[in-house]
Amino acid sequence: EPEVTQTPSHQVTQMGQEVILRCVPISNHLYFYWYRQILGQKVEFLVSFYNNEISEKSEIFDDQFSVERPDGSNFTLKIRSTKLEDSAMYFCASSAGGGGNTEAFFGQGTRLTVV
Amino acid sequence: KNEVEQSPQNLTAQEGEFITINCSYSVGISALHWLQQHPGGGIVSLFMLSSGKKKHGRLIATINIQEKHSSLHITASHPRDSAVYICAASGGGADGLTFGKGTHLIIQP
Repeated sequence: EPEVTQTPSHQVTQMGQEVILRCVPISNHLYFYWYRQILGQKVEFLVSFYNNEISEKSEIFDDQFSVERPDGSNFTLKIRSTKLEDSAMYFCASSAGGGGNTEAFFGQGTRLTVV
Repeated sequence: KNEVEQSPQNLTAQEGEFITINCSYSVGISALHWLQQHPGGGIVSLFMLSSGKKKHGRLIATINIQEKHSSLHITASHPRDSAVYICAASGGGADGLTFGKGTHLIIQP
C-alpha cells in the first residue's frame, strides 16, 4: 500500500540552527501539506502546496519557514533559525485532490527537539 | 475560522462496549475527517464524509450537516482500539484541515 514517508523520525538541533524535514508523498498525489503538533496539543495546519507553489499558509508559517519540492518526489520543510517553541511533531500529508475533499495520507511524523 | 470541538476528551471502557465519540464544528464544511493517532504518533485516516453515514468493519461514522455534528462509533470495542481519535474539518479550497483536540480512548480487557 502506498504511504507517505518522512525522514528523519527524530531530529535534535540547537537553537538558532537550520533544519530540513523531508517527506516523500504518495507518487500520484498533487496536494501536499505540513502540520505540526506540539506535545499535548492539537494538530495545527502550517501550509499547503500545489502546482509547485504555496496554496495557503497559516499564521504559524512565518518567514522562518519555507517549503520546497526540489525534485519529482521530495517535499521539504525548512526552518531557518530554530527556536525552543519549534519543538513539536511535524507531519507531512498528501492527497490526490485539494480542498480537504479527498482522503489525506499522513506520514509517521518527525519529532523535532530544539535544545 | 472553524472551531472543532470533541467530546469526551478521555474515555475508558471495557472490552466489548459500544463507543461513541462526538465532534461539532462551528461553520459549514466541505468534509469531515476522522483520524486515529497511536502512541507512536502516526496519524491514520479512518473516514472522510460530507453527508450521511460510512461504515468500515466495526467503525461507523455519521454526520448531520444541519446540526454541524458528527459521531464516530466503535462496536464490540477491543483493547487494540485504544488510541487517540481525532476529527478534523475541511472548508473547501486548498486549505488544510482544522483539527479537534482528540479523544483519548482506552479499552480495558
